[in-house]
Amino acid sequence: GQNIDQPTEMTATEGAIVQINCTYQTSGFNGLFWYQQHAGEAPTFLSYNVLDGLEEKGRFSSFLSRSKGYSYLLLKELQMKDSASYLCAVKGAAGNKLTFGGGTRVLVKP
Amino acid sequence: EAGVAQSPRYKIIEKRQSVAFWCNPISGHATLYWYQQILGQGPKLLIQFQNNGVVDDSQLPKDRFSAERLKGVDSTLKIQPAKLEDSAVYLCASSPGGDSTDTQYFGPGTRLTVL
Repeated sequence: GQNIDQPTEMTATEGAIVQINCTYQTSGFNGLFWYQQHAGEAPTFLSYNVLDGLEEKGRFSSFLSRSKGYSYLLLKELQMKDSASYLCAVKGAAGNKLTFGGGTRVLVKP
Repeated sequence: EAGVAQSPRYKIIEKRQSVAFWCNPISGHATLYWYQQILGQGPKLLIQFQNNGVVDDSQLPKDRFSAERLKGVDSTLKIQPAKLEDSAVYLCASSPGGDSTDTQYFGPGTRLTVL
């Protein structure tokens, strides 16, 4: 089975940097996804990592270490609109099933 | 390109009643997923279709939930009879082909309240 852990909530100041950690234990691994979900809206795709290392995409970066079962999402130059939940999801080997963590709610303060 | 469409957006029913949700995936996407998201939690996969065949329904409570995708495009998810604990957002997602690099794209969801 899959077990995915991420912090429940984080608070940061506008313009700052926040790092959201995600640890996972899986029986198979075919990649790790990060999604952003604003309150009352659908999750939207942010990033995908399948190999170790850092993937940078504008203000957002995602890192993966498969040997440690660890990923993080880095949000730079925080803006008020970044206040949302961030979901870590792991794709398993069987049928490419996506298993989500509980989400990290990020609150950006002025 | 049009996104994943879902209807209705909101539904309120009494326990023991029946309810159905509809999903139209992104055009050309072979794989369709239904998720249940309880408030404050991440989405949980209920069922995954590849074209009109079921790939994974291991977490679908089959005594009360059913889903179909008869022509490999639109899908419906039904709950009969509903329980209080079914109150959640039901998200539909689709992806192009179901391989390991596929990204899932989500619809706006249907928020179900069971009284």
